Amino acid sequence: QKEVEQDPGPLSVPEGAIVSLNCTYSNSAFQYFMWYRQYSRKGPELLMYTYSSGNKEDGRFTAQVDKSSKYISLFIRDSQPSDSATYLCAMKQTGSARQLTFGSGTQLTVLP
Amino acid sequence: NAGVTQTPKFQVLKTGQSMTLQCAQDMNHNSMYWYRQDPGMGLRLIYYSASEGTTDKGEVPNGYNVSRLNKREFSLRLESAAPSQTSVYFCASSFSGTSGGANEQFFGPGTRLTVL
Repeated sequence: QKEVEQDPGPLSVPEGAIVSLNCTYSNSAFQYFMWYRQYSRKGPELLMYTYSSGNKEDGRFTAQVDKSSKYISLFIRDSQPSDSATYLCAMKQTGSARQLTFGSGTQLTVLP
Repeated sequence: NAGVTQTPKFQVLKTGQSMTLQCAQDMNHNSMYWYRQDPGMGLRLIYYSASEGTTDKGEVPNGYNVSRLNKREFSLRLESAAPSQTSVYFCASSFSGTSGGANEQFFGPGTRLTVL
């Protein structure tokens, strides 16, 4: 069983829809929860991160962490065609450990 | 400010050939990483270098070697390429202090490698 599970999609939505992307994990030591966005044939780039539980909002993007359920989500409001990309969740333990554990990514297409 | 650069962008090898993937960063980061990305598998860590002069194995190190040439450069070598090493390879870097933190990693554009 993988430490981080992510539905690979693909997910296709009309422009303006609310998108929900999710990951589950099994390692209770994870404390940092990140979302990376990867456009086709490009490297991933950090979208946002959350420490421990709670919500974090940045413009149209909201990240949620539920540590009791070991479940994280990324919501995209008013989705745009430019949001079409693969979204990868990533997690890290607290302390000096540097390694990130990535989900397999969800491919999202926003149709105009 | 180029960020993380990787060369080459594409490469085709025959089984048994060797090659070195090059990576450089200009952000004065102390940690560097090599990942491979395969369909359905996400990003898997091959090797990382926490600081200049140190390297450590990641999740999938077999068949690879690395060299941290200086603070800026971190290379990945395939001594005898196998078809199972067909993948997209990403280099990343981060500024990782001893206090931990989120360790935001910055990625290069990737190298697409095919081994026939």
